[in-house]
Amino acid sequence: GENVEQHPSTLSVQEGDSAVIKCTYSDSASNYFPWYKQELGKRPQLIIDIRSNVGEKKDQRIAVTLNKTAKHFSLHITETQPEDSAVYFCAASDGGSQGNLIFGKGTKLSVKP
Amino acid sequence: EPEVTQTPSHQVTQMGQEVILRCVPISNHLYFYWYRQILGQKVEFLVSFYNNEISEKSEIFDDQFSVERPDGSNFTLKIRSTKLEDSAMYFCASSVTSGRAGELFFGEGSRLTVL
Repeated sequence: GENVEQHPSTLSVQEGDSAVIKCTYSDSASNYFPWYKQELGKRPQLIIDIRSNVGEKKDQRIAVTLNKTAKHFSLHITETQPEDSAVYFCAASDGGSQGNLIFGKGTKLSVKP
Repeated sequence: EPEVTQTPSHQVTQMGQEVILRCVPISNHLYFYWYRQILGQKVEFLVSFYNNEISEKSEIFDDQFSVERPDGSNFTLKIRSTKLEDSAMYFCASSVTSGRAGELFFGEGSRLTVL
């Protein structure tokens, strides 16, 4: 089945700096890669996703890149703000008929003012 | 904006007791999921449900677990005889299409504490 690895587990940046979180996946049939932001005690919320027919997608300060050959995808946050502090999870569809999401272990991002 | 709702928000139970967690998915969604998150760990897939039957389940979803859609709106997760290691946040999610192509919307979660 699908296995998703996520790095780093923690990331601390100064406000205004960029943050990059990387994930790799194992199932070459996966074709949907969302990123979720989870604030403490809250539900995971989708912030951006990418499908396997594109290599990059951007939404304001957030961008995601996908390299299908290497089976990795990354989240880029530019001009970080304290409210970006949260746990970020990458996920990949498991390639099965329902394409259930398999999550990485999460990255705790801290943005220091 | 429509939301997935879950009840209860927190349940405390004794080991060996049965627990039912309830979810109301977004009304036009067709695919329903349960995920669990042990404190400080990643979100783990439990089960997906489509067309009134389980479509996939993980190794975690053993015979102690069951899901049901008793009526047109509710989607429940039952744990028959709870164990200490069942303590976790349980998230219900729904999607218009399967996860292969569509966004999963998560509920706020039900925190289960087994004593």
